[in-house]
Amino acid sequence: AQKITQTQPGMFVQEKEAVTLDCTYDTSDPSYGLFWYKQPSSGEMIFLIYQGSYDQQNATEGRYSLNFQKARKSANLVISASQLGDSAMYFCAMREGNTGFQKLVFGTGTRLLVSP
Amino acid sequence: DAGVIQSPRHEVTEMGQEVTLRCKPISGHDYLFWYRQTMMRGLELLIYFNNNVPIDDSGMPEDRFSAKMPNASFSTLKIQPSEPRDSAVYFCASSRDRGGTYEQYFGPGTRLTVT
Repeated sequence: AQKITQTQPGMFVQEKEAVTLDCTYDTSDPSYGLFWYKQPSSGEMIFLIYQGSYDQQNATEGRYSLNFQKARKSANLVISASQLGDSAMYFCAMREGNTGFQKLVFGTGTRLLVSP
Repeated sequence: DAGVIQSPRHEVTEMGQEVTLRCKPISGHDYLFWYRQTMMRGLELLIYFNNNVPIDDSGMPEDRFSAKMPNASFSTLKIQPSEPRDSAVYFCASSRDRGGTYEQYFGPGTRLTVT
């Protein structure tokens, strides 16, 4: 079974609107971490936001927020007020176990296109 | 602070040749990771080190691949002999404890083409 599933291969949004990128995960470990990364066309991987499995509140970083629904095993990324520079691939990733285990498993990504 | 540094940025080589990719992690980071990204397989972890010691190399494809970390500021990924199916972008990343997050910071990648 896929550990991380991103079902949207591509998403379109108009500038200044909000967009939600979906991510579901599969683990039986009570301790895990969820990450979102952005990969623009230039190729680098940029860390955006992190959510720990024991965190009580949804993570937020500027225009990025993570809609964490533990019972549904989903960790959707919400980008508010989209900008043209947000056009990129977005990857969801999971680290299972305690922090002694650092292996990240990535999803297949969602390509976001922001139009003027 | 300087980010993760990788060299070369691009490498074109012929099948059968030895390829060495290099990485300098962010100073103070005690974890170092090597990833490979292809269209077919996505982003895969090859190996990671903690305090220069390999912790998990289960992602290394086969014996043709080897990685070393002789000190805290340098790591290499070697492919010998290279094959066309090794063509990919290879990323190095590093991390340290930031209140339990351990987010990984990636280098710009090395685009390897094996002909």
